[in-house]
Amino acid sequence: QQPVQSPQAVILREGEDAVINCSSSKALYSVHWYRQKHGEAPVFLMILLKGGEQKGHEKISASFNEKKQQSSLYLTASQLSYSGTYFCGTEKKGGSEKLVFGKGTKLTVNP
Amino acid sequence: DSGVTQTPKHLITATGQRVTLRCSPRSGDLSVYWYQQSLDQGLQFLIQYYNGEERAKGNILERFSAQQFPDLHSELNLSSLELGDSALYFCASSPLGTSGRYEQFFGPGTRLTVL
Repeated sequence: QQPVQSPQAVILREGEDAVINCSSSKALYSVHWYRQKHGEAPVFLMILLKGGEQKGHEKISASFNEKKQQSSLYLTASQLSYSGTYFCGTEKKGGSEKLVFGKGTKLTVNP
Repeated sequence: DSGVTQTPKHLITATGQRVTLRCSPRSGDLSVYWYQQSLDQGLQFLIQYYNGEERAKGNILERFSAQQFPDLHSELNLSSLELGDSALYFCASSPLGTSGRYEQFFGPGTRLTVL
């Protein structure tokens, strides 16, 4: 089942922060985060494999709450280069190892 | 550049036709995944191959089929094409078969337009 991402879109000014959420109705083994710029391929940001795990990537970090079956992506002090669509992909526990992606959150960072 | 190559970049064809999309994974990667991306549906997982064998299946239509060859490149065949098949098709690769544990490297995609 497809994870639900929120919000669907967000507009920021440079330097502002944002949080993107990803929720699943299934128990999760892992959560992936990818960013896709317009007309380009998705690019990997990070994987979270354990409940409670937090990872960071420059000023972009994420957390995984296994009990709530959700993950959040945190973008701090946003830069113009952060603009794009962010997708979470989830693998359910005991599943077939396939990733199911959410519909994406479009982030626009303006000067 | 992810190291994953896809050909062709663009494909325009008519309804009812058959096309083949090709993907070469990164050197050393054994898994290949195919995704369909349309405007309002995000990335839809179609199928995964690992070292020549089908590993996982998603929402792949019966009109679509795929295979992975001994040299690890993969082809996605789409037949009896319909207007709704117009989309961006991505191939991705990863080192091993367990997709949830390793990042996937996406190719540049093939944009299919069915007229």
